[in-house]
Amino acid sequence: GAGVSQSPSNKVTEKGKDVELRCDPISGHTALYWYRQRLGQGLEFLIYFQGNSAPDKSGLPSDRFSAERTGESVSTLTIQRTQQEDSAVYLCASSLVPRGNYGYTFGSGTRLTVV
Amino acid sequence: AQSVTQPDIHITVSEGASLELRCNYSYGATPYLFWYVQSPGQGLQLLLKYFSGDTLVQGIKGFEAEFKRSQSSFNLRKPSVHWSDAAEYFCAVLTSGGSYIPTFGRGTSLIVHP
Repeated sequence: GAGVSQSPSNKVTEKGKDVELRCDPISGHTALYWYRQRLGQGLEFLIYFQGNSAPDKSGLPSDRFSAERTGESVSTLTIQRTQQEDSAVYLCASSLVPRGNYGYTFGSGTRLTVV
Repeated sequence: AQSVTQPDIHITVSEGASLELRCNYSYGATPYLFWYVQSPGQGLQLLLKYFSGDTLVQGIKGFEAEFKRSQSSFNLRKPSVHWSDAAEYFCAVLTSGGSYIPTFGRGTSLIVHP
């Protein structure tokens, strides 16, 4: 596609339920990032995928968070047993080259609300 | 590890006035530097980037930024602000070696008064 597509755009879930967020990067972009943006805060790195290499999971805040990506295609971020502090906008970005030094293209995000 | 500081949480300017948003970074060598803008309910859009060479970088929407190595700064400027520039602005740093993960500042919210 022309841009990075994220779905759903909004998600309201009950505390304790699992949620799955989807990111469809720009075709041909080898690198994919997930960030979390809490209200009024900056971007918090979660996970980085590069091609078929092992992902950098160093930003995942707990074992309730996991993500998958097959090759250079769609990625899904899963949050198990959601908590209220998981409420945030989850942003996905992709870049053409591994280091991303030419810049990143962001999706519009998924706004997650845990009630 | 690199870090980014955007010292101003909010900036208020009048439409037509000039603008400067501050960004300071901490890194031993020259990093890659970026400015992004986020309009309400939207993702981040790249305004401009610096890799090397000319320290004054031109971007989209009439923005420019200047890299000053001696001050470890990469401030964003615009000579005349438009009401549509009201948004959140993020500075980001990517090291030239090691980590592939960019670090973002916490953002500066720009408010434009008519």
